[in-house]
Amino acid sequence: NAGVTQTPKFQVLKTGQSMTLQCAQDMNHEYMSWYRQDPGMGLRLIHYSVGAGITDQGEVPNGYNVSRSTTEDFPLRLLSAAPSQTSVYFCASRSPSGSSGELFFGEGSRLTVL
Amino acid sequence: AQSVTQPDIHITVSEGASLELRCNYSYGATPYLFWYVQSPGQGLQLLLKYFSGDTLVQGIKGFEAEFKRSQSSFNLRKPSVHWSDAAEYFCAVGARWGYQKVTFGTGTKLQVIP
Repeated sequence: NAGVTQTPKFQVLKTGQSMTLQCAQDMNHEYMSWYRQDPGMGLRLIHYSVGAGITDQGEVPNGYNVSRSTTEDFPLRLLSAAPSQTSVYFCASRSPSGSSGELFFGEGSRLTVL
Repeated sequence: AQSVTQPDIHITVSEGASLELRCNYSYGATPYLFWYVQSPGQGLQLLLKYFSGDTLVQGIKGFEAEFKRSQSSFNLRKPSVHWSDAAEYFCAVGARWGYQKVTFGTGTKLQVIP
């Protein structure tokens, strides 16, 4: 039972480079989201999606792009990396709301931008 | 807009002592509330959740939390802390129904001393 899978686990970029963080889930969850975690700031929502073809911005969307072509996948794109995007990124999915509507998290992707 | 406040950034307790971590939320309707724990270098694990019903919720690892609507609080408690409880704890709020975002607090880092 894989759950939520994120790749890569570690990445080092130079300023201005682009990259994509991959996220896949096998629980048939409609809701998927990306958070970034920085010391003292908790988890801040970047983008989220409520189904294939539907995405919306969270608290800190600038510099990131997302799309949702399938239920399973929700990639996060950094268009032109900046040092301020050095962070740990978590992908999370959620089952339909109801008593089991908690978020299921991937293991995280640590990104360093030089 | 929904929000979560965890007023204690860092807490130190002795092993065997009781623990209470504070969480206050702002939400326009009856919320869905969560506590997650993150060990160093790890992902996030769900400790417990409040959806409806009994306002005292039991979770894993001997933790419990009480939902107090009048105080907009969802404090986490444990009667006797173990050294392995040292971690960072996050409170989160979301909608009970429908696909809406989940907002996290900034976290409380727990240190356990022998």
